[in-house]
Amino acid sequence: DAGITQSPRHKVTETGTPVTLRCHQTENHRYMYWYRQDPGHGLRLIHYSYGVKDTDKGEVSDGYSVSRSKTEDFLLTLESATSSQTSVYFCAISDFPGKMNTEAFFGQGTRLTVV
Amino acid sequence: QKEVEQNSGPLSVPEGAIASLNCTYSDRVSQSFFWYRQYSGKSPELIMSIYSNGDKEDGRFTAQLNKASQYVSLLIRDSQPSDSATYLCAVKGGSNYKLTFGKGTLLTVNP
Repeated sequence: DAGITQSPRHKVTETGTPVTLRCHQTENHRYMYWYRQDPGHGLRLIHYSYGVKDTDKGEVSDGYSVSRSKTEDFLLTLESATSSQTSVYFCAISDFPGKMNTEAFFGQGTRLTVV
Repeated sequence: QKEVEQNSGPLSVPEGAIASLNCTYSDRVSQSFFWYRQYSGKSPELIMSIYSNGDKEDGRFTAQLNKASQYVSLLIRDSQPSDSATYLCAVKGGSNYKLTFGKGTLLTVNP
């Protein structure tokens, strides 16, 4: 299994509170992604990173921010959680973009409930 | 237009039959194409990748890519009940390196 660890695995938080999810990799892969998965919507890209301190928005980035200060860690922050952000969050990693075999591998997921 | 489209299913096939899963994509310059399998409550796992037009076979799985038609498919031969899962099509490349997924097709293989 690819060395990807997400923490926490489960979290319940109150509306309006800040929440940070962590993705840690031991594969030294350049690309890291944050997705959310909801019934009827599939996997939707929130943000991704193509290097340390290099990030870009995905299709559902509103209400989320990210940071990547080290190759191995990619943090997703909900500045003020809302009930619409209740979801399962997946982190994924991928190798050098110039290579053809740039498969992405996923972490175990974080189930976040905002009450 | 959605970037990656799949039939949501459910697709139901009998054990031993061929299951055919389809996917279309909108970005003509996409470079890499992937099929993931996701069991309920689990994370997606990669089962096939394809980069060139034509067929790529791996055991009971065959991925087919037609860039001119912007179409990629997955065939599962001799389907087993353990193949019952949601299959996700993913596309990477083009103007950036975003990895974009379709909504997935739920496959049920009946014993």
